[in-house]
This record gives sequence, C-alpha cells and structure tokens, in this order.
Amino acid sequence: DTEVTQTPKHLVMGMTNKKSLKCEQHMGHRAMYWYKQKAKKPPELMFVYSYEKLSINESVPSRFSPECPNSSLLNLHLHALQPEDSALYLCASSRTSGNTYNEQFFGPGTRLTVL
Amino acid sequence: AQKVTQAQTEISVVEKEDVTLDCVYETRDTTYYLFWYKQPPSGELVFLIRRNSFDEQNEISGRYSWNFQKSTSSFNFTITASQVVDSAVYFCALVNDYKLSFGAGTTVTVRA
Repeated sequence: DTEVTQTPKHLVMGMTNKKSLKCEQHMGHRAMYWYKQKAKKPPELMFVYSYEKLSINESVPSRFSPECPNSSLLNLHLHALQPEDSALYLCASSRTSGNTYNEQFFGPGTRLTVL
Repeated sequence: AQKVTQAQTEISVVEKEDVTLDCVYETRDTTYYLFWYKQPPSGELVFLIRRNSFDEQNEISGRYSWNFQKSTSSFNFTITASQVVDSAVYFCALVNDYKLSFGAGTTVTVRA
C-alpha cells in the first residue's frame, strides 16, 4: 500500500468555523508533512513531524494547529481562518533513514475555501 | 541557501513530440538530493525520481529520462513521444533537512 489518503476532498468554511483536515498513511513512514499550495504556485512547507514529534514549523500562523495522534495519522486543525488561506492543502509522508532524504509521497489534497 | 530554477513556465507540444524540462539548482551542500514530481490536474503530486549528488548516472524509465550534470548544476527531464496523459505541471525539487525546495514548475500541455 503506497497511498496517502486525505479527507475531506473539499471543504468550505466561514471565518468563524473550526474544522479539521485528516491525513492517513499505512506505509510505516515516520515523517509526515503538511504543505499549502496556492493556484499556479509550488507547494509551500508548513509543518514536519518526525516520529510523531513536531520538528519543523515554518512560522505558520497559530490559526493552523497540527496534531500527530499516532504514526499513521496527521491532522490539521483550522480556526478563524482568513479568505487568503483558501488553497490546496497537501499531506505527505516519507521514510526516515538517517542522513538519507527519501522521497515524499503525497496525498490528493484538500481543497479549502474560506468565505 | 538552496534554490531551484525552472525557467520554462509553459511548454506546449503535439502528441509524439519529445519535450525537455530544464532544472537548475543551487546548493552549498556537498551531499544533496534532487527530485522530480508530476502534478496532473487532479492535484496529487506524483513522485517520479530521486537522484543523489554522488550518483551522476543518467536514468531512463519508459518514456522518461533524466540527465544529471553536477558541473552545470542541472537535472533535466525529457519525455519521449509525449502523450496527452503527460499534460501536467512538473516540479523539480531539492531537499535539505526534510524541507523540499520546489522550483516554480513547468506546465506541459500535450495536444492530440
């Protein structure tokens, strides 16, 4: 199974709502990532979890709150978002092998619209 | 600082033509890893290839081939005999400390 799944596929929310994005992988990967991608731009890294611990936060606003409940699951909790946060949110995972950087496998993304 | 440059914004070809996507990178690391990803209209990024800095062998996978040249800091990608299904955005990327630095991407449109 070489698949990363994400739910929901689409999400529309108001600026006062609280919602969560979910990501799951069963490849035994111990590194998981959240990216944000605006239209016609490359993905931008938001967070990295390594062995269920947050290892990189790319100065993301606190209205985005990541959570890694176990080695297979990654959540992104959303609260009080702004319309400019509308984007495609991609989850990825990869093996961790010492100093070797392995390829990241991406999910299909959640297309988020903030009204 | 790391940087990946994909100078071609868009390329349009007719089916069965070959298309080459350029990728130039900058890094101070002596050991580094380069990647190519494909993003079709559906949105999912699909991993195509990983290359590390100490392996300069070129690679071929079906209609895809990659030319890695450390001397010119380039990692170019060629699609031979393109097909409509090859239409996508292609990203070249460089990794450092788990962070993927993507190029701006090249949109390839293959017309029937």
